Amino acid sequence: SQKIEQNSEALNIQEGKTATLTCNYTNYSPAYLQWYRQDPGRGPVFLLLIRENEKEKRKERLKVTFDTTLKQSLFHITASQPADSATYLCALESGGYNKLIFGAGTRLAVHP
Amino acid sequence: DAGVTQSPTHLIKTRGQHVTLRCSPISGHKSVSWYQQVLGQGPQFIFQYYEKEERGRGNFPDRFSARQFPNYSSELNVNALLLGDSALYLCASSPRQGPLYGYTFGSGTRLTVV
Repeated sequence: SQKIEQNSEALNIQEGKTATLTCNYTNYSPAYLQWYRQDPGRGPVFLLLIRENEKEKRKERLKVTFDTTLKQSLFHITASQPADSATYLCALESGGYNKLIFGAGTRLAVHP
Repeated sequence: DAGVTQSPTHLIKTRGQHVTLRCSPISGHKSVSWYQQVLGQGPQFIFQYYEKEERGRGNFPDRFSARQFPNYSSELNVNALLLGDSALYLCASSPRQGPLYGYTFGSGTRLTVV
């Protein structure tokens, strides 16, 4: 069956360290993978999109990798700050680009 | 520029009732999608509309329906509400069909069915 899996346990790190979040998927062959941030009671906010032919994408302190052989994406936040504390969702396209399939998200807590 | 706006923000309904949720996309965005998010889970796709036509439907019963208007705003309707329909309903807009531009989500409508 098709699955998208993200670390269900919260990730707790110290301010200034690099946070690494994992997204694994099975039985999908997505052309694109996206990462979103979600704060409590709010809608997800788009962060980055990476295509299947791109190994890595960067935006300021964010970096995403996409390994279609391992069927895995890694999301890194360097020099993390308490303001980065949120739930991070990975999502991949399915069904001819008309819908996104989301993972359950990983909650990140950055401590001062 | 206003983001995606959804109304109402919160709603309490009784089992068996009907509900209509509304969404206004970002100006110029022609694609609107609806997602349901249950606490502790990621959003689950319900519908996508592009240029007023349904372009995608998720695995939801026929009690769920939607439409998009000429100004690209959209409504999600749910009939015969069940307790399990309690969730955050999210609307997302994008300039075109497809994921290349990322989706801009509204803050959602929190529906509670009692």
